Amino acid sequence: AQKVTQAQTEISVVEKEDVTLDCVYETRDTTYYLFWYKQPPSGELVFLIRRNSFDEQNEISGRYSWNFQKSTSSFNFTITASQVVDSAVYFCAPLKGGSEKLVFGKGTKLTVNP
Amino acid sequence: GAGVSQSPSNKVTEKGKDVELRCDPISGHTALYWYRQSLGQGLEFLIYFQGNSAPDKSGLPSDRFSAERTGGSVSTLTIQRTQQEDSAVYLCASSRWTEFNYEQYFGPGTRLTVT
Repeated sequence: AQKVTQAQTEISVVEKEDVTLDCVYETRDTTYYLFWYKQPPSGELVFLIRRNSFDEQNEISGRYSWNFQKSTSSFNFTITASQVVDSAVYFCAPLKGGSEKLVFGKGTKLTVNP
Repeated sequence: GAGVSQSPSNKVTEKGKDVELRCDPISGHTALYWYRQSLGQGLEFLIYFQGNSAPDKSGLPSDRFSAERTGGSVSTLTIQRTQQEDSAVYLCASSRWTEFNYEQYFGPGTRLTVT
């Protein structure tokens, strides 16, 4: 069985602070993919990133970076120098290899205050 | 079209009435999903269509819910005899695998309010 956990229900930061959103994916599968989606107050889900289980290279893209550690089943997402527009609910969603059915975590609500 | 579209964007209905929600996936996407999101909650998987295969209905909460996908494209989610607990945003998504990538994109959702 697979299980995705976003332990942080809500996070509140002040603008320009760095913030890391945690996601733990427990599975016995050797091949899987991990997605992050953002849901701003407008409601539409926006795809942010996909990572493969066989690629642990961490990446930085602008103010976003992600840290994937297969040994601890963690796939964390960091926003550097947060902005008010980053306020949203962030969902972690794993996808089992060979499947097309995403399993969503419960989400973390991020509030960035000016 | 450029993205997944859903209609209507908002639907208010009386308890006991039937409703139909429509989803137009991205052209070329083989899979289509329906999710439900209640106020302040996460996404609840409802049903998944992949090509001509039998749909995965494991997430449908009751037999009042059904969905079909015609011609491998447009999908309709039907809720019969609506109840107040059916009030939620219903999100549709479509996806496809390419050689090196997987993409899944969501529509803007239909906000259903049952009075």
